Amino acid sequence: GENVEQHPSTLSVQEGDSAVIKCTYSDSASNYFPWYKQELGKRPQLIIDIRSNVGEKKDQRIAVTLNKTAKHFSLHITETQPEDSAVYFCAASIGQAGTALIFGKGTTLSVSS
Amino acid sequence: GAVVSQHPSWVICKSGTSVKIECRSLDFQATTMFWYRQFPKQSLMLMATSNEGSKATYEQGVEKDKFLINHASLTLSTLTVTSAHPEDSSFYICSASSVVGTDTQYFGPGTRLTVL
Repeated sequence: GENVEQHPSTLSVQEGDSAVIKCTYSDSASNYFPWYKQELGKRPQLIIDIRSNVGEKKDQRIAVTLNKTAKHFSLHITETQPEDSAVYFCAASIGQAGTALIFGKGTTLSVSS
Repeated sequence: GAVVSQHPSWVICKSGTSVKIECRSLDFQATTMFWYRQFPKQSLMLMATSNEGSKATYEQGVEKDKFLINHASLTLSTLTVTSAHPEDSSFYICSASSVVGTDTQYFGPGTRLTVL
């Protein structure tokens, strides 16, 4: 079945720096890759997603890149702010989009001012 | 739009009792709902996929007789933890995807279950 690896597990940056989180997946049939931000005790919030027919997507300070050949995708956050501090999860669809998601283990991002 | 609610938000029960958790899509119809479990400081683990009007599909290692899932309508799925034990204590989160056919999953706020 699908396996999603996420690195690093923790990431500390200074305010204003960039943060990059990387994920790899194993199922070549997966074609939907969302990223979620989760604050303590709250639900995961979708921050950006990408589909397999696109190599890069950007939304203000957040961008995601996808390399289907290498089966990896990355989250890039620029100009980090203290409120970006949270746990970030990548996920990959099981097979086709619209099906269940397999999540990475998460990255705890700490942005210090 | 695309709001998913869960009830209750937290529950404490005695070992051996059963607990029912409801997941509702408030402003859209959900063909498929998913149930996840999240232990402290860990990731979300998929438990089962629930399709309206049919039996749920459980992930390997999840006991279907212990975690009963019912998806009776396009806006409601329930998860019943039967004969709960302390090791079932966890954060249970549901998600739903729209019948319109988008990929996006919308998550409920989660239910914190504590079994004494």
